[in-house]
Amino acid sequence: AQSVTQLDSQVPVFEEAPVELRCNYSSSVSVYLFWYVQYPNQGLQLLLKYLSGSTLVKGINGFEAEFNKSQTSFHLRKPSVHISDTAEYFCAVSAASGNTGKLIFGQGTTLQVKP
Amino acid sequence: DTAVSQTPKYLVTQMGNDKSIKCEQNLGHDTMYWYKQDSKKFLKIMFSYNNKELIINETVPNRFSPKSPDKAHLNLHINSLELGDSAVYFCASSQFLDSSYEQYFGPGTRLTVT
Repeated sequence: AQSVTQLDSQVPVFEEAPVELRCNYSSSVSVYLFWYVQYPNQGLQLLLKYLSGSTLVKGINGFEAEFNKSQTSFHLRKPSVHISDTAEYFCAVSAASGNTGKLIFGQGTTLQVKP
Repeated sequence: DTAVSQTPKYLVTQMGNDKSIKCEQNLGHDTMYWYKQDSKKFLKIMFSYNNKELIINETVPNRFSPKSPDKAHLNLHINSLELGDSAVYFCASSQFLDSSYEQYFGPGTRLTVT
């Protein structure tokens, strides 16, 4: 079974500052990793995903994440945030084989960008 | 055009009632999902269907019954609603039954049971 822990429930940051949202996972098998964003009163949208290969993954809206297998982490970063990045961010994991399409989500991190 | 749509967007009902939420996707995907997001924003999968076949049933009470009349639709019927059923329910779809493929989410249905 897989599990995900997002280490920060809320991250306040000023506009144009860098940000890191932390995600650790647990799994006994190889995994796929994802970051989704949920804007207020909307559904989730995929930011980026790691399937295999390069451990540095670039996504939409200037976000990137780095897969670290030894530390079982998949932290999300952005060098300069905008007010419009204010949203809920979810890290998710799934088993890379025997696939059922099942995603296990973390608890979410609220990113609050202040002017 | 909306890729994944849900109706209704809001649903307020009393305990004990039966209600349905409808989901449609126009992406040509063969896999659809239902997720529940609780008041703390924790998101958990409830069901998944692939080509109208039930794949995942995550220990959801029998009061919840998904129905997939065709690959483009996955409806959720809930019997004897309870206060604890209050949540936002999201429908999603993906091209194949493989989590390497992106899941596209609908806008959600906020269910309030009074």
